[in-house]
Amino acid sequence: DAMVIQNPRYQVTQFGKPVTLSCSQTLNHNVMYWYQQKSSQAPKLLFHYYDKDFNNEADTPDNFQSRRPNTSFCFLDIRSPGLGDAAMYLCATSKRVGPGETQYFGPGTRLLVL
Amino acid sequence: QKEVEQNSGPLSVPEGAIASLNCTYSDRGSQSFFWYRQYSGKSPELIMFIYSNGDKEDGRFTAQLNKASQYVSLLIRDSQPSDSATYLCAVSGGGADGLTFGKGTHLIIQP
Repeated sequence: DAMVIQNPRYQVTQFGKPVTLSCSQTLNHNVMYWYQQKSSQAPKLLFHYYDKDFNNEADTPDNFQSRRPNTSFCFLDIRSPGLGDAAMYLCATSKRVGPGETQYFGPGTRLLVL
Repeated sequence: QKEVEQNSGPLSVPEGAIASLNCTYSDRGSQSFFWYRQYSGKSPELIMFIYSNGDKEDGRFTAQLNKASQYVSLLIRDSQPSDSATYLCAVSGGGADGLTFGKGTHLIIQP
């Protein structure tokens, strides 16, 4: 089945130790998104790629970076994780943009910072 | 800045009754409106989307949109215990700008 896959599902890192989260998709979608969701909060868009074009949200900290080496894969790099970065990180994809265009979410990666 | 507001709940509804979930949004330029269901510890799962004023029905679910009032709702008929979850309202401006989510309404269906 076509799907959005995130690895790992759970990630434990130490304060200040760089960490990379992975997302892959078999949907051949043009757009890939990264959201951060803290406990009992709304998912918050960090950035997205439309093909190779990177779009950063204005309030996304510089500590968060992303790479999309090809259509299928997208990575979230957290350069120096702080305790406040513990959250669920959600990857989503959509084929195009426009009214009614649906975003499909992966299962998420839960990040714990010690 | 776009804002999406939802009553956090919990909203408790007896099994078999209609659950009504509401959402307001601040950006009049919003074009697409989505309802996602999220079980605890899981990722959001799309229930419905709507982008025209009026009602849209899909099985037990009906989405309602009133752009003049900047209001979106989701009705769940014949509520089942498996419907117990957090329901997230999300809006999009139609461009490649992702979704703006509300914090969600925690729905509890009482057997």
